[in-house]
Amino acid sequence: SQTIHQWPATLVQPVGSPLSLECTVEGTSNPNLYWYRQAAGRGLQLLFYSVGIGQISSEVPQNLSASRPQDRQFILSSKKLLLSDSGFYLCAWSGRGPRETQYFGPGTRLLVL
Amino acid sequence: AQTVTQSQPEMSVQEAETVTLSCTYDTSESDYYLFWYKQPPSRQMILVIRQEAYKQQNATENRFSVNFQKAAKSFSLKISDSQLGDAAMYFCAYRGGGTSYGKLTFGQGTILTVHP
Repeated sequence: SQTIHQWPATLVQPVGSPLSLECTVEGTSNPNLYWYRQAAGRGLQLLFYSVGIGQISSEVPQNLSASRPQDRQFILSSKKLLLSDSGFYLCAWSGRGPRETQYFGPGTRLLVL
Repeated sequence: AQTVTQSQPEMSVQEAETVTLSCTYDTSESDYYLFWYKQPPSRQMILVIRQEAYKQQNATENRFSVNFQKAAKSFSLKISDSQLGDAAMYFCAYRGGGTSYGKLTFGQGTILTVHP
């Protein structure tokens, strides 16, 4: 069966510091990968998606970037964090094709002070 | 652009009773998919149920069922025999069928409280 991992689970960072959140998927190959952000406990917003190694698409302009160095690894980064980057970050995976369901990881709570 | 609206910020139900959560969406696509996700206090998003727009039959998963009204663009979730473990935030989500990467558009969520 497929499993999706995220770490760290919780992170407290000062403004202006760098960020690296990691997501890995097990038990599948060539997944589509996604990064979402949830602010204030409400709806999720898609930040990035990837359909393959090195292929990253951004949904919204922001202070963040994403990379996919390996097939089942997805990384969310920032060079300098802003207060507004605080939130809950969720990674998700799906199989290829429009009929596939997305499955989410446990998420990372990020607090920027 | 597609939008998803959940008009009930909060709902409550007595244990063992039935509750219905509402969701409406707006789209010009003919091929799409609709989902209900549950987010318990742990905050992990858990898939509850999925509906393909081309299917007329409403999806059912144990105590969870949907009322899919395509013409009205309505997609409500019915939880029967509510249990304390059903307490969570529930999100309705839309996915268009025209792309391969499957962007999900979420509603703002409904907080469900289950009273013993």
